[in-house]
Amino acid sequence: EDKVVQSPLSLVVHEGDTVTLNCSYEVTNFRSLLWYKQEKKAPTFLFMLTSSGIEKKSGRLSSILDKKELFSILNITATQTGDSAVYLCAVYFYNQGGKLIFGQGTELSVKP
Amino acid sequence: SAVISQKPSRDICQRGTSLTIQCQVDSQVTMMFWYRQQPGQSLTLIATANQGSEATYESGFVIDKFPISRPNLTFSTLTVSNMSPEDSSIYLCSVGSGAPFEKLFFGSGTQLSVL
Repeated sequence: EDKVVQSPLSLVVHEGDTVTLNCSYEVTNFRSLLWYKQEKKAPTFLFMLTSSGIEKKSGRLSSILDKKELFSILNITATQTGDSAVYLCAVYFYNQGGKLIFGQGTELSVKP
Repeated sequence: SAVISQKPSRDICQRGTSLTIQCQVDSQVTMMFWYRQQPGQSLTLIATANQGSEATYESGFVIDKFPISRPNLTFSTLTVSNMSPEDSSIYLCSVGSGAPFEKLFFGSGTQLSVL
């Protein structure tokens, strides 16, 4: 069965810390991996990764995919209280027409 | 990315009643998707809605329980029928970007509580 597993499930850090969130997957016909940030209800898109070993970066956030080992990491440096959210990892399969398989999410809490 | 408006934002409903959730997109899109997020769980796809055809439901979801309409390329509704407390969830509509729509953008979500 295709699945996406995130770790840790929750994390509490202090402002300024660096965090690494993990996402591993077991899927057939992998096409891409996506990261979302969910505050309140609506997930907002962060990154989409399709190629192994190429880092995507946006400000303090960065992500990389390892297609050989079937995992991705999301790094957040110099964390701020506004980074507090649930971070979702999702995997997209060929010919699935929009069906993303989501992990259970990592709840990040950044304390002042 | 498209702007996706969803309403209602939240509702509290009685067991046995039905609720229709509306999703409006500011541009024409071919495919719209409805997801559910039960408390403490991740997102699960309910169905895919194409304009002019019947929605395609995922395993475990049926049309009688979650009827979907897609009257045009910018609008869709999801109805949660004969609700029970187990239907208490966040419901999200989404649209895809690019081909084949793998980069999904989500609406603001509907928080549903069933008493």
